[in-house]
Amino acid sequence: DAKTTQPNSMESNEEEPVHLPCNHSTISGTDYIHWYRQLPSQGPEYVIHGLTSNVNNRMASLAIAEDRKSSTLILHRATLRDAAVYYCILVGGTSYGKLTFGQGTILTVHP
Amino acid sequence: DVKVTQSSRYLVKRTGEKVFLECVQDMDHENMFWYRQDPGLGLRLIYFSYDVKMKEKGDIPEGYSVSREKKERFSLILESASTNQTSMYLCASRGRGSNQPQHFGDGTRLSIL
Repeated sequence: DAKTTQPNSMESNEEEPVHLPCNHSTISGTDYIHWYRQLPSQGPEYVIHGLTSNVNNRMASLAIAEDRKSSTLILHRATLRDAAVYYCILVGGTSYGKLTFGQGTILTVHP
Repeated sequence: DVKVTQSSRYLVKRTGEKVFLECVQDMDHENMFWYRQDPGLGLRLIYFSYDVKMKEKGDIPEGYSVSREKKERFSLILESASTNQTSMYLCASRGRGSNQPQHFGDGTRLSIL
């Protein structure tokens, strides 16, 4: 499975934008880029996913580099509830949608 | 919204007991998964199922088995519980299609004494 690399931790202030980077230099043409987050004492929560084009939903935006070797999850205005571990995961077309979790990025949001 | 329900939030069992963890989803999803999460090791896939009565081993299946008799229910079985199976267990489900997301339950924190 292609791997992803994320910073161990990031910090932000409330109401400021947050850009969470992810490198996936060995991504294959059929791999989707998925983002999940895990709040304390909860199961992971789906955030967003994309293949080639940038994507927006009510939670976040996903910016995908033209060569697809990196992507950035954008939280437009961080709130204290966004403090969580964020996982960037590649999902192949023939993998039954299995997720291989790395260590993720611990996001701390300061009031 | 998709609802994935795990039968227990906390569970305490003794070494050697047979333990059943139950998971139910309400979205008619074909695929269901069991993970365990441990500090420093992250989430690891134990087993998954892509259809009723079908199962596939994940990355760490040793010491576990699964059962999927109905589409909405996926059970994880610890045949003879051991202390190294103390962990947080997470169930997830997913619809058909390569770009479908997984939906997780809130987890069962299992302690084996």
